[in-house]
Amino acid sequence: GAVVSQHPSWVICKSGTSVKIECRSLDFQATTMFWYRQFPKQSLMLMATSNEGSKATYEQGVEKDKFLINHASLTLSTLTVTSAHPEDSSFYICSARFRGQNTGDTQYFGPGTRLTVL
Amino acid sequence: AQSVSQHNHHVILSEAASLELGCNYSYGGTVNLFWYVQYPGQHLQLLLKYFSGDPLVKGIKGFEAEFIKSKFSFNLRKPSVQWSDTAEYFCAVIGSGGYQKVTFGIGTKLQVIP
Repeated sequence: GAVVSQHPSWVICKSGTSVKIECRSLDFQATTMFWYRQFPKQSLMLMATSNEGSKATYEQGVEKDKFLINHASLTLSTLTVTSAHPEDSSFYICSARFRGQNTGDTQYFGPGTRLTVL
Repeated sequence: AQSVSQHNHHVILSEAASLELGCNYSYGGTVNLFWYVQYPGQHLQLLLKYFSGDPLVKGIKGFEAEFIKSKFSFNLRKPSVQWSDTAEYFCAVIGSGGYQKVTFGIGTKLQVIP
């Protein structure tokens, strides 16, 4: 299957600093990528949909000024957590949509980034 | 709006037992259906998907799932589980047409006892 990478895999930062997480589709072009948070013992929560060349679409309750998303190219989307606070500590996962000619849409997931804000 | 429900949140089986994990969805139109697996310490991986055609879909590692349209179900099965199948399993759905979001079920944690 298609490969999606994330960098960094884990990060620890001080409260008030900003953290950037990169998501790359390594062997296919993705016009659409998604950013999720995963809380312990819960399912994935979609934060936003990132579209190449246009503004991201945020889910209800997600602060767009707090979680800045940039989809600079067909293989790269970034999520910047601005002025991070301890409540932002979480596991952030990206996925990239692959649209096959006869196989419909499939999302492939990155390995996730563990963010810990002290 | 689409939704997915997984009825079994935690399943414990002995090795060689058969597995069936339930998944029901609600959506008014045509859907693409998925099962993803997350092994301990690893990321989500696609196990299998249904797009069209044969409603019985075979995936990796001996898993299969059957799409029953009349029941809005997409249950995951494996005839004989192994310890290495210990993981969390997520059912997901995308409505077809346009660019739609994936909706995930809450997940089922499977523990296989040797």
